[in-house]
Amino acid sequence: GAGVSQSPSNKVTEKGKDVELRCDPISGHTALYWYRQSLGQGLEFLIYFQGNSAPDKSGLPSDRFSAERTGGSVSTLTIQRTQQEDSAVYLCASSLGLSDTQYFGPGTRLTVL
Amino acid sequence: GEDVEQSLFLSVREGDSSVINCTYTDSSSTYLYWYKQEPGAGLQLLTYIFSNMDMKQDQRLTVLLNKKDKHLSLRIADTQTGDSAIYFCAELNTGGFKTIFGAGTRLFVKA
Repeated sequence: GAGVSQSPSNKVTEKGKDVELRCDPISGHTALYWYRQSLGQGLEFLIYFQGNSAPDKSGLPSDRFSAERTGGSVSTLTIQRTQQEDSAVYLCASSLGLSDTQYFGPGTRLTVL
Repeated sequence: GEDVEQSLFLSVREGDSSVINCTYTDSSSTYLYWYKQEPGAGLQLLTYIFSNMDMKQDQRLTVLLNKKDKHLSLRIADTQTGDSAIYFCAELNTGGFKTIFGAGTRLFVKA
Protein backbone atom coordinates (compact mmCIF):
# COMPACT_ATOMS: atom_id res chain seq x y z
CA GLY A 1 0.00 0.00 0.00
CA ALA A 2 1.26 3.44 0.94
CA GLY A 3 4.87 4.30 1.53
CA VAL A 4 6.59 5.06 4.80
CA SER A 5 4.76 7.70 6.80
CA GLN A 6 6.01 9.84 9.66
CA SER A 7 4.36 12.15 12.12
CA PRO A 8 4.38 14.92 12.95
CA SER A 9 5.82 16.53 9.85
CA ASN A 10 7.03 19.47 11.93
CA LYS A 11 7.67 19.77 15.63
CA VAL A 12 8.77 22.86 17.51
CA THR A 13 9.67 22.38 21.14
CA GLU A 14 11.42 24.15 23.95
CA LYS A 15 14.81 23.13 25.20
CA GLY A 16 14.51 20.55 27.95
CA LYS A 17 11.20 19.07 26.80
CA ASP A 18 10.76 15.48 25.62
CA VAL A 19 9.55 14.70 22.09
CA GLU A 20 8.22 11.59 20.38
CA LEU A 21 8.50 11.01 16.67
CA ARG A 22 6.50 8.29 14.96
CA CYS A 23 7.20 6.12 11.94
CA ASP A 24 4.83 3.78 10.10
CA PRO A 25 6.85 1.51 7.80
CA ILE A 26 5.66 -0.10 4.60
CA SER A 27 3.48 -3.09 5.42
CA GLY A 28 5.48 -6.31 5.37
CA HIS A 29 8.86 -4.63 5.78
CA THR A 30 10.75 -6.27 8.61
CA ALA A 31 13.59 -3.75 8.88
CA LEU A 32 13.15 -0.18 10.08
CA TYR A 33 15.79 2.53 10.36
CA TRP A 34 16.08 5.98 11.87
CA TYR A 35 18.43 8.62 10.48
CA ARG A 36 19.11 12.23 11.34
CA GLN A 37 19.85 14.92 8.78
CA SER A 38 21.23 18.11 10.20
CA LEU A 39 21.17 21.31 8.15
CA GLY A 40 23.51 20.97 5.19
CA GLN A 41 24.73 17.56 6.34
CA GLY A 42 24.36 14.06 5.02
CA LEU A 43 22.46 11.34 6.76
CA GLU A 44 23.55 10.13 10.16
CA PHE A 45 22.46 6.62 11.08
CA LEU A 46 20.82 6.39 14.51
CA ILE A 47 19.25 2.96 15.05
CA TYR A 48 17.72 0.02 13.22
CA PHE A 49 15.26 -2.74 14.03
CA GLN A 50 15.10 -6.10 12.29
CA GLY A 51 12.12 -8.31 13.04
CA ASN A 52 12.02 -9.26 16.70
CA SER A 53 15.76 -8.95 17.24
CA ALA A 54 17.21 -6.46 19.68
CA PRO A 55 17.81 -3.14 17.92
CA ASP A 56 21.25 -1.91 16.96
CA LYS A 57 21.58 1.30 18.92
CA SER A 58 25.18 1.98 17.95
CA GLY A 59 24.35 5.23 16.20
CA LEU A 60 22.37 6.91 18.97
CA PRO A 61 24.26 10.11 19.87
CA SER A 62 23.46 10.08 23.58
CA ASP A 63 21.38 8.30 26.21
CA ARG A 64 18.72 10.95 25.75
CA PHE A 65 17.76 9.16 22.55
CA SER A 66 15.75 5.95 22.58
CA ALA A 67 13.52 4.10 20.18
CA GLU A 68 11.09 1.27 20.27
CA ARG A 69 9.15 -0.72 17.75
CA THR A 70 5.90 -2.22 18.88
CA GLY A 71 4.55 -5.37 17.30
CA GLY A 72 7.22 -5.30 14.63
CA SER A 73 5.54 -2.39 12.89
CA VAL A 74 5.23 1.19 14.14
CA SER A 75 8.30 2.77 15.68
CA THR A 76 8.70 5.71 18.03
CA LEU A 77 11.90 7.70 18.45
CA THR A 78 12.00 9.55 21.76
CA ILE A 79 14.35 12.37 22.59
CA GLN A 80 14.42 13.37 26.24
CA ARG A 81 15.49 16.77 27.55
CA THR A 82 15.92 18.13 24.04
CA GLN A 83 18.85 20.39 23.24
CA GLN A 84 19.23 22.92 20.45
CA GLU A 85 21.74 20.68 18.68
CA ASP A 86 18.97 18.07 18.35
CA SER A 87 17.32 20.33 15.77
CA ALA A 88 17.32 18.37 12.50
CA VAL A 89 15.15 16.39 10.15
CA TYR A 90 14.59 12.88 11.44
CA LEU A 91 14.07 10.37 8.66
CA CYS A 92 12.67 6.89 8.95
CA ALA A 93 13.17 4.18 6.35
CA SER A 94 12.03 0.60 5.98
CA SER A 95 13.12 -2.33 3.88
CA LEU A 96 11.87 -5.82 3.21
CA GLY A 97 14.88 -7.30 4.93
CA LEU A 98 18.11 -6.02 6.36
CA SER A 99 20.06 -6.05 3.12
CA ASP A 100 17.28 -4.76 0.90
CA THR A 101 16.66 -1.36 -0.58
CA GLN A 102 15.48 1.20 1.92
CA TYR A 103 12.45 3.38 1.29
CA PHE A 104 12.23 6.65 3.15
CA GLY A 105 9.45 8.59 4.79
CA PRO A 106 9.06 12.37 4.37
CA GLY A 107 10.78 13.08 7.68
CA THR A 108 9.95 15.05 10.80
CA ARG A 109 11.54 18.47 11.07
CA LEU A 110 12.39 19.07 14.73
CA THR A 111 13.21 22.57 15.93
CA VAL A 112 14.38 23.05 19.50
CA LEU A 113 14.14 26.64 20.67
CA GLY B 1 36.27 2.75 7.40
CA GLU B 2 33.43 3.14 4.98
CA ASP B 3 33.05 6.50 3.35
CA VAL B 4 31.09 7.99 0.48
CA GLU B 5 32.09 11.35 -0.96
CA GLN B 6 30.34 13.69 -3.33
CA SER B 7 30.81 17.27 -4.44
CA LEU B 8 28.37 19.57 -2.68
CA PHE B 9 27.05 21.71 -5.55
CA LEU B 10 26.40 21.50 -9.26
CA SER B 11 24.82 24.16 -11.44
CA VAL B 12 23.62 23.50 -15.00
CA ARG B 13 21.43 25.21 -17.58
CA GLU B 14 18.05 23.80 -18.43
CA GLY B 15 18.34 21.34 -21.30
CA ASP B 16 21.98 20.50 -20.61
CA SER B 17 23.16 17.20 -19.15
CA SER B 18 24.07 16.98 -15.47
CA VAL B 19 26.70 14.62 -14.18
CA ILE B 20 26.88 14.00 -10.45
CA ASN B 21 29.90 12.08 -9.22
CA CYS B 22 30.48 9.95 -6.17
CA THR B 23 33.39 7.95 -4.80
CA TYR B 24 33.22 5.24 -2.18
CA THR B 25 35.76 3.24 -0.26
CA ASP B 26 34.10 -0.10 0.52
CA SER B 27 35.11 -2.59 -2.14
CA SER B 28 32.56 -5.10 -0.85
CA SER B 29 29.61 -2.90 -1.80
CA THR B 30 26.76 -4.88 -3.32
CA TYR B 31 24.33 -2.17 -4.32
CA LEU B 32 24.93 1.48 -5.07
CA TYR B 33 22.05 3.90 -4.98
CA TRP B 34 21.02 7.35 -6.05
CA TYR B 35 18.37 9.06 -3.96
CA LYS B 36 16.72 12.40 -4.71
CA GLN B 37 15.54 14.77 -2.02
CA GLU B 38 13.33 17.67 -3.01
CA PRO B 39 12.92 20.63 -0.63
CA GLY B 40 10.97 19.66 2.48
CA ALA B 41 10.59 16.04 1.41
CA GLY B 42 12.16 12.73 2.33
CA LEU B 43 14.49 10.72 0.16
CA GLN B 44 13.12 9.18 -3.00
CA LEU B 45 14.92 6.21 -4.51
CA LEU B 46 15.84 7.22 -8.06
CA THR B 47 17.80 4.27 -9.29
CA TYR B 48 20.33 1.70 -8.18
CA ILE B 49 22.98 -0.47 -9.72
CA PHE B 50 24.28 -3.85 -8.67
CA SER B 51 28.01 -3.98 -8.18
CA ASN B 52 28.61 -6.43 -11.04
CA MET B 53 27.14 -4.00 -13.58
CA ASP B 54 28.95 -1.19 -15.38
CA MET B 55 26.01 0.83 -16.56
CA LYS B 56 22.30 1.16 -16.09
CA GLN B 57 19.98 3.38 -18.08
CA ASP B 58 16.49 4.41 -17.06
CA GLN B 59 14.86 7.03 -19.28
CA ARG B 60 16.82 10.27 -18.73
CA LEU B 61 19.04 8.71 -16.06
CA THR B 62 22.29 6.87 -16.73
CA VAL B 63 24.33 5.35 -13.92
CA LEU B 64 27.95 4.47 -14.58
CA LEU B 65 29.99 2.36 -12.20
CA ASN B 66 33.76 2.05 -12.29
CA LYS B 67 34.39 -0.61 -9.70
CA LYS B 68 38.15 -0.47 -10.06
CA ASP B 69 38.23 3.21 -9.16
CA LYS B 70 35.21 2.95 -6.84
CA HIS B 71 33.54 5.74 -8.77
CA LEU B 72 29.83 6.10 -9.40
CA SER B 73 28.15 8.74 -11.52
CA LEU B 74 24.61 9.79 -12.30
CA ARG B 75 23.93 11.50 -15.61
CA ILE B 76 20.65 13.32 -16.11
CA ALA B 77 19.96 14.07 -19.75
CA ASP B 78 17.98 17.17 -20.78
CA THR B 79 17.96 18.52 -17.23
CA GLN B 80 14.77 20.30 -16.24
CA THR B 81 14.04 22.81 -13.47
CA GLY B 82 12.09 20.06 -11.72
CA ASP B 83 15.34 18.14 -11.36
CA SER B 84 16.60 20.76 -8.89
CA ALA B 85 17.13 18.82 -5.68
CA ILE B 86 19.77 17.19 -3.52
CA TYR B 87 21.08 13.91 -4.87
CA PHE B 88 22.51 11.37 -2.44
CA CYS B 89 24.83 8.59 -3.41
CA ALA B 90 24.73 5.55 -1.11
CA GLU B 91 26.27 2.11 -0.88
CA LEU B 92 25.13 -1.09 0.76
CA ASN B 93 27.95 -3.37 1.71
CA THR B 94 27.96 -7.14 1.75
CA GLY B 95 28.70 -7.52 5.39
CA GLY B 96 25.66 -6.00 6.94
CA PHE B 97 22.70 -3.84 6.87
CA LYS B 98 24.24 -0.41 6.81
CA THR B 99 23.64 1.83 3.87
CA ILE B 100 26.30 4.53 3.90
CA PHE B 101 25.27 7.86 2.44
CA GLY B 102 27.26 10.69 0.97
CA ALA B 103 26.57 14.25 2.08
CA GLY B 104 24.51 14.94 -1.03
CA THR B 105 25.03 17.08 -4.14
CA ARG B 106 22.74 20.07 -4.49
CA LEU B 107 21.78 20.46 -8.16
CA PHE B 108 20.72 23.92 -9.34
CA VAL B 109 19.05 24.12 -12.74
CA LYS B 110 19.01 27.56 -14.33
CA ALA B 111 16.25 28.40 -16.78
